[in-house]
Formats: sequence, structure tokens, C-alpha cells
Amino acid sequence: EAGVTQFPSHSVIEKGQTVTLRCDPISGHDNLYWYRRVMGKEIKFLLHFVKESKQDESGMPNNRFLAERTGGTYSTLKVQPAELEDSGVYFCASSQNQGPSSYNSPLHFGNGTRLTVT
Amino acid sequence: AQSVAQPEDQVNVAEGNPLTVKCTYSVSGNPYLFWYVQYPNRGLQFLLKYITGDNLVKGSYGFEAEFNKSQTSFHLKKPSALVSDSALYFCAVRGWGTGKLIFGQGTTLQVKP
Repeated sequence: EAGVTQFPSHSVIEKGQTVTLRCDPISGHDNLYWYRRVMGKEIKFLLHFVKESKQDESGMPNNRFLAERTGGTYSTLKVQPAELEDSGVYFCASSQNQGPSSYNSPLHFGNGTRLTVT
Repeated sequence: AQSVAQPEDQVNVAEGNPLTVKCTYSVSGNPYLFWYVQYPNRGLQFLLKYITGDNLVKGSYGFEAEFNKSQTSFHLKKPSALVSDSALYFCAVRGWGTGKLIFGQGTTLQVKP
């Protein structure tokens, strides 16, 4: 089975520009998560989709970040306009089950998108 | 609030020696605990988990972890380290009633020949 794939692997943009990150979860996985790791710090939760619905978006830093998952398949995370502090590695993860049975299921992670804002 | 702490930024061990990577957690209710490993330019790979039952859980690549409820710890261990174990290790907790993982800041394991 194909794993979680993320595009692009690297992105370098200038402050004020827009960037869109894409995540293709494992086929059939209803849960899709976005995480971010700023250099040397912990991996922070951004949001969680169940199919096309946002289950939890409590980790989204501000309204410059917009996540979508139209049709419940792939997801995009747009940053507009980008700021210097948005630099980091953005990870996407997916898992299969819904509800409480999903809580003991490990997440499957993509390789991440390294975003550099200059 | 749920949180995970990995008190060591880096752990250095010699090949063949036992290794321990420390993790403590704070969570309401029963914790679901996970360890992940990240190799350079790769995503996080699942190593093992504790949900319930035996406090010593075994995972991939010869790793194991010991759950200690009284000390709220979930340390990662391996009896004999390999150079290829050198990587970044993350501890994570999933609190009761939530699907998301809360991660620690990561510990770099360096195994020297």
C-alpha cells in the first residue's frame, strides 16, 4: 500500500507570499492530521479532519492558515500571507478508524514539507 | 492540560551498550503512549505503543518501552544499541477522548561505533 505522500518536499518563499502544501493520505483512511515542527521544538498539532469535516482545528495558529479536504481524500494547507515564523516542517498523518477505536491506532506520517520563509 | 516531556536533547551511547531515551507525560485519564522515530529527511515511523496491559511493551527494531504509572513515565529502551539506531526519537501521548497526539520535543540518539 502506498504511504502518506506530501508535496512539495521543500518550499522556499518570501515573506508575504502564499504557499499551498498538499497531503495525500493512505487510501481509505478517514482521519487526516496536520502537524508542524519548528526547528528544535516539539511537533505541534494543527488540525484533524474526519473525512471532509474538521474535527479539531484548535492548533491552527491564526487565520493566515487555511486547511481543506474536499471530498474527503487529499488535503491542502494554505498559508497566506506567509510570515517568517511560519518556517518549519509540516507533517501530514493519517489513520483508518473513527471514534474511540482510532485512539489506539498509530498514525502514519508523510515525509513532511520543509517550508522556509525568507 | 496534556503534555509530554523528553528531558534530554541528545543521548550518546556506544554500539553494543544498552540505551534509554526518557519520556514523562501528563494527561487526564488513562494515557495512550507512543514512540516514533525519524530518520533524516523521512517522516515519523511508529515504533511501539502502550494502551493497556503489560507495562513492558515491545516494538520494532528490538526496541521496548516501560510504562510506569506512578512516575508517569514511558522510557524507550534497547538492550544493545546499533549505529543504525542513530535518529530522532519522539514520545507522544493521546489523551482520553481525543484523536490527536501530543508530542515531546524529541531526543537525538547518537550511537557511536
